[in-house]
Amino acid sequence: SQQGEEDPQALSIQEGENATMNCSYKTSINNLQWYRQNSGRGLVHLILIRSNEREKHSGRLRVTLDTSKKSSSLLITASRAADTASYFCATDERYGKLTFGQGTILTVHP
Amino acid sequence: DAGVIQSPRHEVTEMGQEVTLRCKPISGHDYLFWYRQTMMRGLELLIYFNNNVPIDDSGMPEDRFSAKMPNASFSTLKIQPSEPRDSAVYFCASSTLRGQETQYFGPGTRLLVL
Repeated sequence: SQQGEEDPQALSIQEGENATMNCSYKTSINNLQWYRQNSGRGLVHLILIRSNEREKHSGRLRVTLDTSKKSSSLLITASRAADTASYFCATDERYGKLTFGQGTILTVHP
Repeated sequence: DAGVIQSPRHEVTEMGQEVTLRCKPISGHDYLFWYRQTMMRGLELLIYFNNNVPIDDSGMPEDRFSAKMPNASFSTLKIQPSEPRDSAVYFCASSTLRGQETQYFGPGTRLLVL
C-alpha cells in the first residue's frame, strides 16, 4: 500500500514560476524524504526532513512538514526546464523501509 | 564513487524463461533494496537486506521471485519462470546506517517479458 500520496498528479508551469507539490501520509513517521526521477532514470534523493523539523531548505528547494496534518510540501522556486521530472515523497513506514507515493509529474516549459 | 551499478540495463525475454538481475551497491552501504516500478502500481519495495541478510521479503509477489546477497558487494533478483506481467523497471538501491535514511538508486533494469 502507498503511504504517501502526492498532489497534484501532474503540474505544468512556465520557466521561472514556482512549483508546489504536496504529500500526505497516514501513519507516524521519523522522517520524510523527497526524490526526483528523470525519465528513464533512477530516483535521486533531494532532501530529508525529520519529524521534529518544520521546514528545510536546499538551494531552490523548500520543504515543509506538518506532522499534525500528516502532510508535507515541496516548493521549487524559479523553476527551470531541467526541473522537468517526476517527484516522489517517501516515508519511513517502519525500521529499514521506505514507502513511496505515486509521484507528481512536473513539466516546466521553456 | 561509481554509485549503484545494475546489469543488464535492458532485458527482453520470452515467457517462461529465467531472468537474473544483478546489483552492486555502493561500497560501505549495509542496506540493499530491490524495487519494482510500473505505471499501474508505482514504486514497490520487493525485498531488502541488511548486512547481506534478507530482512523483509513481504513485497516479493510470488515464489517465482527470489533474491540473494552472497556478499556485501553483490545481489541478484531472479524470476523463474518469467511472465508478461513481470514487465517493469527493477531498481536496486543502497543506503547506510539506517534503512530509512537516504537511499541511492541504480539506473534500473527495464524488463520486457513477451
